[in-house]
Amino acid sequence: GDSVTQMEGPVTLSEEAFLTINCTYTATGYPSLFWYVQYPGEGLQLLLKATKADDKGSNKGFEATYRKETTSFHLEKGSVQVSDSAVYFCALSGGGRGSTLGRLYFGRGTQLTVWP
Amino acid sequence: DAEITQSPRHKITETGRQVTLACHQTWNHNNMFWYRQDLGHGLRLIHYSYGVQDTNKGEVSDGYSVSRSNTEDLPLTLESAASSQTSVYFCASRDSSGNTIYFGEGSWLTVV
Repeated sequence: GDSVTQMEGPVTLSEEAFLTINCTYTATGYPSLFWYVQYPGEGLQLLLKATKADDKGSNKGFEATYRKETTSFHLEKGSVQVSDSAVYFCALSGGGRGSTLGRLYFGRGTQLTVWP
Repeated sequence: DAEITQSPRHKITETGRQVTLACHQTWNHNNMFWYRQDLGHGLRLIHYSYGVQDTNKGEVSDGYSVSRSNTEDLPLTLESAASSQTSVYFCASRDSSGNTIYFGEGSWLTVV
């Protein structure tokens, strides 16, 4: 079945450091891929998405490229800020036949803490 | 602006009580979902619905039920709350394009 594996945290960085959070997936067909962010005490917000191979999603300085050959969707940011401290979830949707339409399959989440 | 809202945001209840968490969306989305979030598990699907009178079980549906009497609402009921159901619950809905899923702000439930 469809599944997502993401790098486990916590990840602790200094401000302006480079961030990578790894995410790989297993899916039949052609899933859409997402990164969600959850700030302390809040719900999930869509950070970025990509719907087909080689697409790059980007938002707020974060980027992720849909790599079908490596089944990956790694999240990157060139220079993190204290305000980026949050939990990040990789997710996929709609892999193909047998997938529950519209549901998201989530990774376990990666806690990011950025120190000034 | 259209939105998706959950209530209550925080609740403490006793073991064995029935609890209902409300979810209301104003986008007129047909597809709605309930997830629970637990440390080390990410988010797991409890129930989902593709339209009025349609409900389906997710991967962790035991002890939960939902009903869909209209498009806007998908209430989640814990028939007899257990301590294992202490969690954060998120409702979500999916737009017609199929690729954007919107989440509510979550309901923090503690069962004592």
